[in-house]
Amino acid sequence: GNSVTQMEGPVTLSEEAFLTINCTYTATGYPSLFWYVQYPGEGLQLLLKATKADDKGSNKGFEATYRKETTSFHLEKGSVQVSDSAVYFCALSTTGGGNKLTFGTGTQLKVEL
Amino acid sequence: DAGVTQSPTHLIKTRGQQVTLRCSPKSGHDTVSWYQQALGQGPQFIFQYYEEEERQRGNFPDRFSGHQFPNYSSELNVNALLLGDSALYLCASSLAMVPYGYTFGSGTRLTVV
Repeated sequence: GNSVTQMEGPVTLSEEAFLTINCTYTATGYPSLFWYVQYPGEGLQLLLKATKADDKGSNKGFEATYRKETTSFHLEKGSVQVSDSAVYFCALSTTGGGNKLTFGTGTQLKVEL
Repeated sequence: DAGVTQSPTHLIKTRGQQVTLRCSPKSGHDTVSWYQQALGQGPQFIFQYYEEEERQRGNFPDRFSGHQFPNYSSELNVNALLLGDSALYLCASSLAMVPYGYTFGSGTRLTVV
């Protein structure tokens, strides 16, 4: 079956630090990969996606590259801000799986001044 | 343009009771999916509705049931509530012919006591 493994949090960084949140996956077929963000008290927002190997998804300074050879989709940002503090979820879906999303457990990011 | 609307935002139920949660999809969307997010965990897929039928189902017992109405809105029903059903229930809408374009609601926080 499909599964997603994320690095555990919380991750605490100073403002302007470099961010990496690791994500690896197991899937049957060829998955599409996503990063979602959840701010306190809110639902999930799509941050970025990649639908095939070597694609790079990017949005709001965040980026992630679909690495089929390492089954990874690590999230990076060059300079985090306090407003980036949230929980980040890596997820995948497969056409054969009916496009439902399989999520990792989430990584909480705290950015301090 | 309204996004996904869920009601109620919070509720408290007693073990053994039944509950109904409601979701209005984003305008133009015809598919509704429900997810359960336990505290500190990633969302887990419950089921998906399209054309008023359940199209996919995750690994949840029959106590969890749903419905989709002609206007695409949806309900999630949970019978014989258990303490372990306490979670944030998220509704996501999409357009069937455009996979991966999910919009999530802010969720309903269910507490079972």
